[in-house]
Parts: sequence; C-alpha cells; structure tokens
Amino acid sequence: QQPVQSPQAVILREGEDAVINCSSSKALYSVHWYRQKHGEAPVFLMILLKGGEQKGHDKISASFNEKKQQSSLYLTASQLSYSGTYFCGTWGGPIDQGGKLIFGQGTELSVKP
Amino acid sequence: NAGVTQTPKFRVLKTGQSMTLLCAQDMNHEYMYWYRQDPGMGLRLIHYSVGEGTTAKGEVPDGYNVSRLKKQNFLLGLESAAPSQTSVYFCASRRDRAEAFFGQGTRLTVV
Repeated sequence: QQPVQSPQAVILREGEDAVINCSSSKALYSVHWYRQKHGEAPVFLMILLKGGEQKGHDKISASFNEKKQQSSLYLTASQLSYSGTYFCGTWGGPIDQGGKLIFGQGTELSVKP
Repeated sequence: NAGVTQTPKFRVLKTGQSMTLLCAQDMNHEYMYWYRQDPGMGLRLIHYSVGEGTTAKGEVPDGYNVSRLKKQNFLLGLESAAPSQTSVYFCASRRDRAEAFFGQGTRLTVV
C-alpha cells in the first residue's frame, strides 16, 4: 500500500531541474511532500488536497492528478541546500483510511556544485 | 513552542527487554503517528491515532503496542524487544487536512 516514488535517486548540478513522482494504487484525498536531511527529522514542503487546494514552499511546486492518483514535485534551479531524501505521503481521506498517512520509500537527491 | 517532542532520543536494549517511547505534542492535533525508518525502506507506519482514546494498526504493527490516554501524548511500547526492531522511530502529529509535524526521532538499538 506504500505509494511508489521514482526515481529512487538523482544527482544534479547546481541550477539544474528535477522532477520526483509519486503514485498510489488507492484513491487519494491529499498528497504531502517532505524533505529529510541525514540524521534529521522530515520537514514539510507541500501539501496538495483534493479539489485543488495547495499549501507549501514558495520555491518548490507540485502537481496532483486525482484521477490518476499521482503527484509530482518540481525542483527548479536547484541549490545545494536541496540535497536530501524526499518523501511523498498519501492520505485516503477520513472515510476510506481514517487518519492513516503512509509514505513512499523516498528519493535521494544530491546537488553538486 | 516545542511542537512534537520524543523521549528518549537514544536507547540500547537487550533482547527481551521492554520499553516505552513517549511522544508529546502541544499543538492540540487530533492525529498522531508512529513510524520506523530503516535504510532503503522509507517511513513505515506502525500505529496511529485519530483522537484521544483511539488507536489503529498501521503497516507494520507486529511487536508493538500503543496507547493514547491523553490527546497530547502517544506512547509506543515494545513488550519484548528483538534485534529486528533496531531502527529510528519517528512520531508525528497533524490536524485534519494539514501537514504533519515530526519529532526529532529516537534511535533504538536492540542487542
């Protein structure tokens, strides 16, 4: 039931762009995106809700295709600080899954100078 | 402004010992979660709670129990620790339709 993320890892040069994808086999109410630095807790980036509402980071954008049960995170003009592991989290909503929030296996992003 | 606080931060247990991990949040969140993180496995949901007095199983609940007697606290128990439970444990909380806030993690080693 874990959402599937792709790619598993990506290496970028500073200034390059990247896209991280997240897909689920279940209908989604919301998709969350987090970034984790080594040895630290995950930090919130974006939340996308069914119906189009979004909230999050002003330099990172994301999309949510409800019908396809997919989300993508767009990292443009990457900076060294973008390095880390990115996780998508999915919630099926209060009726389908109650409060269950489950995460993908992560995408490791490395930005080089 | 503490957010989500986990105690302890580190612990070494012997096989068969028991322990309780405490998660406390001061944001009046309804939902609370316990995850374990192992290399290459992402964050796997152990148990969760949608409110005071309620708990539910996640994806990997075996060997763990939880309780939520007070809205602000979510306890994770290991009754008889096994080496396979060596992991980093994260607690998180959130409101409905909002993002999750994570604690700083507990690094547990079972020898």
